[in-house]
Amino acid sequence: GQQLNQSPQSMFIQEGEDVSMNCTSSSIFNTWLWYKQDPGEGPVLLIALYKAGELTSNGRLTAQFGITRKDSFLNISASIPSDVGIYFCAGHMYSGGGADGLTFGKGTHLIIQP
Amino acid sequence: EAQVTQNPRYLITVTGKKLTVTCSQNMNHEYMSWYRQDPGLGLRQIYYSMNVEVTDKGDVPEGYKVSRKEKRNFPLILESPSPNQTSLYFCASGQGNQPQHFGDGTRLSIL
Repeated sequence: GQQLNQSPQSMFIQEGEDVSMNCTSSSIFNTWLWYKQDPGEGPVLLIALYKAGELTSNGRLTAQFGITRKDSFLNISASIPSDVGIYFCAGHMYSGGGADGLTFGKGTHLIIQP
Repeated sequence: EAQVTQNPRYLITVTGKKLTVTCSQNMNHEYMSWYRQDPGLGLRQIYYSMNVEVTDKGDVPEGYKVSRKEKRNFPLILESPSPNQTSLYFCASGQGNQPQHFGDGTRLSIL
């Protein structure tokens, strides 16, 4: 199956710093999603992007759908302790005939040092 | 409240003993899917279903079965579990191009 290249694999940052992570693919998608997973829980949707070039914010989070439809980034501004977790990008190619599976990146593990 | 519910949350069992992990969603979603999550490999799709009685293999279907007799339920069946199926499993549901909702996961340990 397809794979997304998500980077970085892990980030060690100080509280208050900004964070940036991205995903690239060899295939195009018509939806990009960013999820966060806390220990012992399932992934929770943060931001959904539906159009190439779209820039969407959710509080301190900002994500963009790349113009080529093959990449996306997620920025977190002024990080706080509860931002700790694993962040996943996911690409979705919806053909109109029915939903299809998500292709996930391998995740970015965010660790915030006090 | 919109929910995807998996049971059990944790299971330790032995090789060869058939087990079923249930998944139920209350959002009337047509699409349901199972993923497994392993360190360094991320989330990989096992099987998915676009509607009742319609199921298809994902990227890693070997050793698993599913059924979709009703819209709300999508059980994952391991007929003869083996240690390499020790993993964290997630069920998800969705509709059209809307983002999928995930359950809280089932941690399986096969000894």
